Amino acid sequence: QKEVEQDPGPLSVPEGAIVSLNCTYSNSAFQYFMWYRQYSRKGPELLMYTYSSGNKEDGRFTAQVDKSSKYISLFIRDSQPSDSATYLCAMNQGAQKLVFGQGTRLTINP
Amino acid sequence: KAGVTQTPRYLIKTRGQQVTLSCSPISGHRSVSWYQQTPGQGLQFLFEYFSETQRNKGNFPGRFSGRQFSNSRSEMNVSTLELGDSALYLCASSLGQGGTSGYTFGSGTRLTVV
Repeated sequence: QKEVEQDPGPLSVPEGAIVSLNCTYSNSAFQYFMWYRQYSRKGPELLMYTYSSGNKEDGRFTAQVDKSSKYISLFIRDSQPSDSATYLCAMNQGAQKLVFGQGTRLTINP
Repeated sequence: KAGVTQTPRYLIKTRGQQVTLSCSPISGHRSVSWYQQTPGQGLQFLFEYFSETQRNKGNFPGRFSGRQFSNSRSEMNVSTLELGDSALYLCASSLGQGGTSGYTFGSGTRLTVV
């Protein structure tokens, strides 16, 4: 079993929809949780960064961490075609390697 | 502010050859990590360097090695290339060790082994 599980999709939604992306993990020592966005032929770009449990909002993006359930989510409101990309969750326990999910390929249809 | 620069962007090598990839981190970042990305395995951690010392290492064979220079620039070397080494190799830099403040990735080097 992988340390971090993420549904690879693909996920296709209409423009303006709310998108929910999720990851589960098995290592309870993870403390730092991140979401990266990767466009084709580009490196991953850090979107959201959260320490421990809780919510964090940045514009149309909201990240949630539930450490008791070992579950993290990324919500995208008012989705745009430019949001079409692969979204990767990542986490670590501090000063250790970052462990990534498989990535979810998202397409926003105009 | 310049981002993470990786060179070359594309590379084609023959089985058995060796290859060296280069990474220049963001100015002031002392930690450089390397990842291999393939469609089947996703992003897999290779190693991390901080202040010229390897701090963490992933589960890759000894053919994969790296180093970091005093200016934080890093190189990664793969010897005796195999077809399975074909991948996107990503370098990421962060201010502190372990990327707890988040990594900034380069655009990667696409390596094709034929």
